[in-house]
Amino acid sequence: QQQVKQSPQSLIVQKGGIPIINCAYENTAFDYFPWYQQFPGKGPALLIAIRPDVSEKKEGRFTISFNKSAKQFSLHIMDSQPGDSATYFCAACPPLGRLYFGRGTQLTVWP
Amino acid sequence: SQTIHQWPATLVQPVGSPLSLECTVEGTSNPNLYWYRQAAGRGLQLLFYSVGIGQISSEVPQNLSASRPQDRQFILSSKKLLLSDSGFYLCAWNFRRGHYGYTFGSGTRLTVV
Repeated sequence: QQQVKQSPQSLIVQKGGIPIINCAYENTAFDYFPWYQQFPGKGPALLIAIRPDVSEKKEGRFTISFNKSAKQFSLHIMDSQPGDSATYFCAACPPLGRLYFGRGTQLTVWP
Repeated sequence: SQTIHQWPATLVQPVGSPLSLECTVEGTSNPNLYWYRQAAGRGLQLLFYSVGIGQISSEVPQNLSASRPQDRQFILSSKKLLLSDSGFYLCAWNFRRGHYGYTFGSGTRLTVV
């Protein structure tokens, strides 16, 4: 059973566009929600994370929106650049538990 | 600061040969350690995780095993590789306490031929 459901599987946008990646979860015990960015041939790297006591967190061009009642969270990339082309994973974990990852979204930003 | 080392970066092994991938973490004590596999263009599959020396939990029964002989060392092994064992293997760690995201190693690209 997939603990965290991520969509879309792939996404293509033009430079300057705002790609949005969505994730949903069922386990209300989850209280930490990170996003990871992975470039080809590299390990995933932590991009940004949020806790359920806030509805939005912004770091540079990356923003997480969190909807606790809907059990959904999303990643927005403002003014996307070709260098943002990568695979993005959402994840969630309960207190003192392990991370459950979504299946990933392959983002391509065309110049 | 903490660092994670994973080697080798690439490996080509014949079917039926043994495997040993090593991962070490520096700059922290008592980390949680994880082994993931990623098939081409696919997601992250958790293989094993460890919360302490000698403590290994397996997520997926398969041709692989893991060991943690020292606090900051995590080893992934196989006695006889299968073609289906090909993939990108990632080691990761996080703090035992607190909600810190995982830090991944640079990965090992394994091709079984």
